[in-house]
Amino acid sequence: GAGVSQTPSNKVTEKGKYVELRCDPISGHTALYWYRQSLGQGPEFLIYFQGTGAADDSGLPNDRFFAVRPEGSVSTLKIQRTERGDSAVYLCASSLLGGGAGETQYFGPGTRLLVL
Amino acid sequence: DAKTTQPPSMDCAEGRAANLPCNHSTISGNEYVYWYRQIHSQGPQYIIHGLKNNETNEMASLIITEDRKSSTLILPHATLRDTAVYYCIVRVNNNDMRFGAGTRLTVKP
Repeated sequence: GAGVSQTPSNKVTEKGKYVELRCDPISGHTALYWYRQSLGQGPEFLIYFQGTGAADDSGLPNDRFFAVRPEGSVSTLKIQRTERGDSAVYLCASSLLGGGAGETQYFGPGTRLLVL
Repeated sequence: DAKTTQPPSMDCAEGRAANLPCNHSTISGNEYVYWYRQIHSQGPQYIIHGLKNNETNEMASLIITEDRKSSTLILPHATLRDTAVYYCIVRVNNNDMRFGAGTRLTVKP
């Protein structure tokens, strides 16, 4: 079946602009996660959705970052007033229930964001 | 939350077994060990996970020591396509995963 998809695959923007990154989870998965990966490092957790609500947003770096999942499926990560330091690969993952550590997260290919 | 320690890089000859070690000496009893890999420019790919017992699937085997303080991921017959960064992760009880720097495995012909 189809995996996690993310669009766009690449995004180039200018400092100060607003960007939206989209994630389509695996059909039927209720839990959705966003991560950010800087060059040469492992992914870092940003936010976790259980259904429509953000169950844990402790990884969001500041209030310029916001994510929504209004219908419990597709999610959008929104970054306001982008800075050069926001350049990274933004990864999305989903899992079936999000019920605990025994459940596997499946990742999408990521969106590569470059802020000039 | 538990952390993991992995060697930064390893080489393996094509066709041989690749044994990737991971130390997680502060792991607690209800935390799982997960392995993912990331091939260049792709998202992380799930490989295998376990709690206490050794596990095997079509991709790899996971050997967890009896005291659970370390584990080894085994790729039985490494191919050039197995060249990737391999992450060992200990899952805490909430729903995020903490990736370290991983081990960069290079499979050589």
